[in-house]
Amino acid sequence: SQQGEEDPQALSIQEGENATMNCSYKTSINNLQWYRQNSGRGLVHLILIRSNEREKHSGRLRVTLDTSKKSSSLLITASRAADTASYFCATDGGYNKLIFGAGTRLAVHP
Amino acid sequence: DVKVTQSSRYLVKRTGEKVFLECVQDMDHENMFWYRQDPGLGLRLIYFSYDVKMKEKGDIPEGYSVSREKKERFSLILESASTNQTSMYLCASQRSIYEQYFGPGTRLTVT
Repeated sequence: SQQGEEDPQALSIQEGENATMNCSYKTSINNLQWYRQNSGRGLVHLILIRSNEREKHSGRLRVTLDTSKKSSSLLITASRAADTASYFCATDGGYNKLIFGAGTRLAVHP
Repeated sequence: DVKVTQSSRYLVKRTGEKVFLECVQDMDHENMFWYRQDPGLGLRLIYFSYDVKMKEKGDIPEGYSVSREKKERFSLILESASTNQTSMYLCASQRSIYEQYFGPGTRLTVT
């Protein structure tokens, strides 16, 4: 069962531009997480935002959460070629499980 | 740093073979997970485990089994591999309710 859905499916930008990815989910959550996956590798945790938080920052990452709209966004500022990856949101699925969306493929061109 | 290792990066097996994928974590995490990842479908949970000798079915357990004899090791078993099990397999570990730490993945091809 897929809880989170990322939008857009793919995003292509130039270095230095900002990248925004969105995630929508269906049921109420305790927290929402964002992960990055470089091509052919495992996922790496980026940031966790709890349901009582509205915004969280980590370096060049900014995550917002709107529980009334059941949506979250991930903003990467001043993107670099090294940010090229797939980005996934994940919501808690009960019993410590995570439910992942299909991901957004980000390409950052030098 | 948490380290999650998987026994193989690439594996090619024949239809009908029994396949073992092993995952080891070094952070004494209670929870471990096996996912498969297919294009356009994201990550789908196959099985997970909360403790030694405990296992729970995920969303797509059919054709798979698991074993957790030691806390640090979680094995995924394909009893009789089929071509529709060609996929990327990802193992993850987790302490309580927090983030999951993933291994590098095993790309399995069944011919």
